[in-house]
Amino acid sequence: DSGVTQTPKHLITATGQRVTLRCSPRSGDLSVYWYQQSLDQGLQFLIHYYNGEERAKGNILERFSAQQFPDLHSELNLSSLELGDSALYFCASSHIRNTIYFGEGSWLTVV
Amino acid sequence: DQQVKQNSPSLSVQEGRISILNCDYTNSMFDYFLWYKKYPAEGPTFLISISSIKDKNEDGRFTVFLNKSAKHLSLHIVPSQPGDSAVYFCAASAPSAGGTSYGKLTFGQGTILTVHP
Repeated sequence: DSGVTQTPKHLITATGQRVTLRCSPRSGDLSVYWYQQSLDQGLQFLIHYYNGEERAKGNILERFSAQQFPDLHSELNLSSLELGDSALYFCASSHIRNTIYFGEGSWLTVV
Repeated sequence: DQQVKQNSPSLSVQEGRISILNCDYTNSMFDYFLWYKKYPAEGPTFLISISSIKDKNEDGRFTVFLNKSAKHLSLHIVPSQPGDSAVYFCAASAPSAGGTSYGKLTFGQGTILTVHP
């Protein structure tokens, strides 16, 4: 158990819909990262929040957004969903550089 | 442009022997490297990391070697156990403005390790 909690574990939704994925970081970790793993792209960095502020963006679509709340949990919002958005979405958290831990992932299927 | 490459899609090893997983990178700005183990539909599990100021880091059965001049790192698992069978990913990060985005990792495509009893 990495200490990073993600909900929901599985989600099936229709194209055009919007979903929210939630992440609770490890206790004491101020940084939260979101990654997407799809079959053809591997693990891709999406976005990083540090203590409520956005710090870095990767290949995140404009239809996707994230935020980190004062209690440090984070949400990834995916809207106008397309079939190609089906993937595993991972959250990771860290406190110092050599301890970046991942959650179990949220499996999104868009039908 | 794949900045982190794991050229071996799979590796098969006998239990008790050494497993050597390799990773090459192209971005000279990378200064921190990590190895993760992953099972299907689960999150990556952190194994070991190394900073570019070192050339070796050891943790139990796992040792990571870094050759900066060759832009190459490897993970050695000794002795290999059947429970080590999984997909292994190497990942790299570069310094960022403010020094806090070290979790922006670039991953390789993974190597499937199978350890036979």
